[in-house]
Formats: sequence, structure tokens, C-alpha cells
Amino acid sequence: GDSVTQMEGPVTLSEEAFLTINCTYTATGYPSLFWYVQYPGEGLQLLLKATKADDKGSNKGFEATYRKETTSFHLEKGSVQVSDSAVYFCALSEGPASKLTFGTGTRLQVTL
Amino acid sequence: NAGVTQTPKFQVLKTGQSMTLQCAQDMNHEYMSWYRQDPGMGLRLIHYSVGAGITDQGEVPNGYNVSRSTTEDFPLRLLSAAPSQTSVYFCASSRGTGGVRSGYTFGSGTRLTVV
Repeated sequence: GDSVTQMEGPVTLSEEAFLTINCTYTATGYPSLFWYVQYPGEGLQLLLKATKADDKGSNKGFEATYRKETTSFHLEKGSVQVSDSAVYFCALSEGPASKLTFGTGTRLQVTL
Repeated sequence: NAGVTQTPKFQVLKTGQSMTLQCAQDMNHEYMSWYRQDPGMGLRLIHYSVGAGITDQGEVPNGYNVSRSTTEDFPLRLLSAAPSQTSVYFCASSRGTGGVRSGYTFGSGTRLTVV
């Protein structure tokens, strides 16, 4: 079945550092790929998405490119801020019911 | 404000008790789902619905029931609570198949503790 593998956290960075959170997936077809973010005490919010190979999703300075050849969707940001501290989930959606399959989440802590 | 509303936000149950977690959305979304979030395990799908009157099981359905009598509401019922059901529960909704490509909208969650 479908699965998503994320790098384990927590990831601790200083403000203005470069961020990469790795995500790889296994799927039988051509899934849509997502990054969701969860701030402390809140639900999940869609951060960005990509629906086909080579698409680049971007939002709030975050980017991720759908790489079918490596089955990856790594999240990047050039300069993180303290306000980016959260848990980040990679997810895919496939099939007629388009259910979401999530990775285990990566906690990001940004310090001054 | 439009969105997904979950109630209650917090609940403590005794083992064997039953309860219903409420979920309502006002966006006329076809798809609705229930997930549970446990440390180190991400979110796992409990049940989902692709429209009123249609429900199906997800990855971890045991111990839970759902129904979808209206487009707006998708309650999750715990039949006989067990400590293993201590978790944070999220309801999510999306427009149909094409809309899922735009991502799901999540509620703020219900934190359930079973003692």
C-alpha cells in the first residue's frame, strides 16, 4: 500500500538557517503530494501541494518539488524564522476516495 | 467563520463508556474523514465518507462507528472506550475528487483521554 517516510526529528536550527526536511513516498500510481504544518495546540494546515511530476509547490517561503524519479518531495526554506517552529507532515493522496496517507511528522524548532 | 468545527475540544472518559465526537463543516464539502494522531505515528485514518449516506473504513476502524446522514455532519462514535483510544482526533473535509488536490481542511482537534 501507499506509504510516506519522513526524516526523524526534532530538527533544531538557528534563525535564518537553511531548512531541508526529507520526504519519500511509495505509491502504486500518480499521487498528489502535500506538506501540512501543525502549530502547537492547533490542527493541520495545508502548507503546499504538487499534483504531478516536476511540479513545484510553494508558500510562505517554503518550496517542494515533486520528483517522480526519486519518489521524493523534500521541503526546503532558505531562511527559517522562529515563527516556523512547528511539526511538518508530508502526505500523499491517491485513488478514487483520495484518502490522505501521512508521514510521522518532523518537529522543527528554530532558535534565536 | 467557515471551516471544520469539532466538539468537544477535550474529553476524559472512563473505560467502557461511550461517546460521540462531533464534526461539522459549512463548506459543502463532499469528502470527510476522521484521523487519530499518536506520538511517533503521524495521523492514521479511522473512517471516511465520500458523500452523504456513504462511509468506509480506514486504516484503524476498530472500536469506532460513523454515519453521514447529511453533507455537513460526520460524527465519530466510540462504542466502549479503551485506554488505547487515548489520542488526539482530527476531522477533515475536502471538495470531491478534484478538490482533494487542493488539500483537506482540518478541524482543531479533540483531545481524548480514556482512564
